[in-house]
Amino acid sequence: DAKTTQPTSMDCAEGRAANLPCNHSTISGNEYVYWYRQIHSQGPQYIIHGLKNNETNEMASLIITEDRKSSTLILPHATLRDTAVYYCIVRVAESSTLGRLYFGRGTQLTVWP
Amino acid sequence: NAGVTQTPKFQVLKTGQSMTLQCAQDMNHEYMSWYRQDPGMGLRLIHYSVGAGITDQGEVPNGYNVSRSTTEDFPLRLLSAAPSQTSVYFCASGRGSNQPQHFGDGTRLSIL
Repeated sequence: DAKTTQPTSMDCAEGRAANLPCNHSTISGNEYVYWYRQIHSQGPQYIIHGLKNNETNEMASLIITEDRKSSTLILPHATLRDTAVYYCIVRVAESSTLGRLYFGRGTQLTVWP
Repeated sequence: NAGVTQTPKFQVLKTGQSMTLQCAQDMNHEYMSWYRQDPGMGLRLIHYSVGAGITDQGEVPNGYNVSRSTTEDFPLRLLSAAPSQTSVYFCASGRGSNQPQHFGDGTRLSIL
């Protein structure tokens, strides 16, 4: 499996940008990087995904390095509601577990007032 | 759209009892899956389905059965509950296995 490494925890001031790093040095050429988050006691929520190019949507931006071995999720103006565990996931495509999402420990982001 | 609906939200069972966790989605998604989440373990895949009539095992399938008779529903059955199955269970669906997944709010299951 192409696994990911994320810091255990980070914090950010409300209104500032939150930059969450992820290392995925064993990623294969056809594997996407996905980001999900889980607010306490809720189901995971999809944020964004990408293959090579940087991506942006209404929630966040995803910056992928040119060698694709790492990426950064950017929440441009963090709010208290963004406090959650953020998961960086590489989509695995195996014959026995087609498209399995491997959820690691994630990064606990705390946004403070 | 209701999205992914899981029932019940909470359940307490005794060891050896059986039960079915329900999952329904109204987005016409082909791909559905079940995860369990335990403290310090992240989410682990139990079973998944790529369409009606097709299911396969995930990372931790022992003790669980699934079936997929319709596109909308993907129930998870515990045949003989064990304390080790105490967990939070999440159901997810997506247009495909490599598409963004939509998760339900979970079922919190305690087995005594």
